Amino acid sequence: QPVLTQPPSASGTPGQRVSISCSGSSSDIGTNYVHWYQQLPGTAPKLLIYRNNQRPSGVPDRFSGSKSGTSASLAISGLRSEDEADYYCAAWTDSLSGRWMFGGGTKLTVL
Amino acid sequence: QITLKESGPTLVKPAQTLTLTCTFSGFSLSTSGVGVGWIRQPPGEALEWLGIIYWDGDKRYNPSLESRITINKDTSKNQVVLTMTNMDPVDTATYYCVRSLRGVDCGGSRCYYFDYWAQGILVTVSS
Repeated sequence: QPVLTQPPSASGTPGQRVSISCSGSSSDIGTNYVHWYQQLPGTAPKLLIYRNNQRPSGVPDRFSGSKSGTSASLAISGLRSEDEADYYCAAWTDSLSGRWMFGGGTKLTVL
Repeated sequence: QITLKESGPTLVKPAQTLTLTCTFSGFSLSTSGVGVGWIRQPPGEALEWLGIIYWDGDKRYNPSLESRITINKDTSKNQVVLTMTNMDPVDTATYYCVRSLRGVDCGGSRCYYFDYWAQGILVTVSS
């Protein structure tokens, strides 16, 4: 099962800046857009960043995305307690007849 | 306002067929660049994409599940139906219905993203 690689956990204190990485390959991140989803405890995921670095309306500019080569990153500045959630990256892969792939998820803890 | 909601059984027996319906409002699945897909999440695990149906009737399925999954749409009812055969306890998961949007300056599946998610329905497979 192809998958994008994320660190299982990340943490920071209020006000800090944290980054979450997402590593893929030339057939997914290297070629296609990366999107990020936030899943608060007990809720459905929510679109956080689309097309590498675009924020949907209503998403604070504390959240930003970037992509370079076959890796992508989600950065959260001015960390808040309500940012404690699971974060997933996603990308389309052109391999194996094409499919959507998700990262394994990163649990962000605000200390 | 865009909303989606799943409906269907929350308990199925092994080997049975699961049928879930996604009823949506606030958009039309006949609009160019729109799709409705299904994503699932086993308890405590990551997200897994199942499949999607696009505004033009094109369908894409996860190759690892393609033999078991069918997705159809009823545009007049604003509904998309997921059918998954031969259910197994490992298929126990929360199933999400999602809207997918392409954007105006791009073409193909690579250009879509999942912008609205339903609340999810937990389906347990057990005898």
